[in-house]
Amino acid sequence: KAGVTQTPRYLIKTRGQQVTLSCSPISGHRSVSWYQQTPGQGLQFLFEYFSETQRNKGNFPGRFSGRQFSNSRSEMNVSTLELGDSALYLCASSLWESGGEQYFGPGTRLTVT
Amino acid sequence: GIQVEQSPPDLILQEGANSTLRCNFSDSVNNLQWFHQNPWGQLINLFYIPSGTKQNGRLSATTVATERYSLLYISSSQTTDSGVYFCAGRDDKIIFGKGTRLHILP
Repeated sequence: KAGVTQTPRYLIKTRGQQVTLSCSPISGHRSVSWYQQTPGQGLQFLFEYFSETQRNKGNFPGRFSGRQFSNSRSEMNVSTLELGDSALYLCASSLWESGGEQYFGPGTRLTVT
Repeated sequence: GIQVEQSPPDLILQEGANSTLRCNFSDSVNNLQWFHQNPWGQLINLFYIPSGTKQNGRLSATTVATERYSLLYISSSQTTDSGVYFCAGRDDKIIFGKGTRLHILP
């Protein structure tokens, strides 16, 4: 069974631009969560989706948004990029809503210049 | 929300040594997991261990949910064990500890 995939793997953007990251969960998994990892703040929860509905949201500004499609694939969008948005963005999938073992993708490394 | 504390923050050991990493939670959590982050950033699942003890080769883990802690044991360390180890648990969302950075010297 294929693991969680994320695209693109690397991305360089300029301040003020917007970016869309994609995550395909493990087949059969319906829950997708997103995390931001930075050296200063560690791993922080962004949001969680289940059956196309956002179930939970972390403490991030409204510039960060996401969605989930009917095939459970998810995208997250960051608008008006800031230098501080440079980070590793990780996506995880699990079978159940609000529970179960999480499996992570390889991440998208975003650099904002 | 819950707080997750991992200790020690850094650990340097000689190859062949044993180590114990600890994860404390400020309140009850569900779905406790241990991960190893490889040099490329990917989080590798080690254990899904809401309670009890599990073993996988040289690694084992124990979670005592009633006392709100979990331990990860690494025996006979190898240089490939180097990296950052994270524990994570869930209340209404997944919370990660800040990790233990492990250096295994040859």
